[in-house]
Amino acid sequence: KQEVTQIPAALSVPEGENLVLNCSFTDSAIYNLQWFRQDPGKGLTSLLLIQSSQREQTSGRLNASLDKSSGRSTLYIAASQPGDSATYLCNRGGADGLTFGKGTHLIIQP
Amino acid sequence: GEEVAQTPKHLVRGEGQKAKLYCAPIKGHSYVFWYQQVLKNEFKFLISFQNENVFDETGMPKERFSAKCLPNSPCSLEIQATKLEDSAVYFCASSQSGTGGTEAFFGQGTRLTVV
Repeated sequence: KQEVTQIPAALSVPEGENLVLNCSFTDSAIYNLQWFRQDPGKGLTSLLLIQSSQREQTSGRLNASLDKSSGRSTLYIAASQPGDSATYLCNRGGADGLTFGKGTHLIIQP
Repeated sequence: GEEVAQTPKHLVRGEGQKAKLYCAPIKGHSYVFWYQQVLKNEFKFLISFQNENVFDETGMPKERFSAKCLPNSPCSLEIQATKLEDSAVYFCASSQSGTGGTEAFFGQGTRLTVV
């Protein structure tokens, strides 16, 4: 069974800081790695999708990297803002389907 | 459509009643996934479809839960004789590939409350 682990489970930082969220997976034979955010009481919003052939993707202040050999992905958030407060989930896509991590609950303090 | 549409947004059922949730995938997507999220915790995979065929049902409770994806109709997830522990948000996702080769798009979820 595939496992996806996200560290830390929760993070609280002052506004303006750069931060890194981590995601690790047990099987390097992945197809892609997708990062989502989930706001309280809301659904999932896709942030970045990294295909297995790629090493990173960028969107605005977000940068996601993928290292298949070590089974890791990171989501880097630059110059954090209170609006970034949410739960961030990584999702591994592979031959056996999609597997979610449990998420990192992020709070950006104004 | 251009987004995954889930209905209803909220559903309240008395214990023992039936609950039926609907999901319209994005047009052109062949795969549909259902997930259960209890109390904002981890997503539990339930079942996936490739068009109208079951692709993977390893997460589906054997009793009380059933799902269908019929041609020209929204997909559905039905829970017979609901229990308190079925209270959760049920998310539906669709993608062009069932094996994670392409991006997954999620609906906003249906919040089921069993009282």
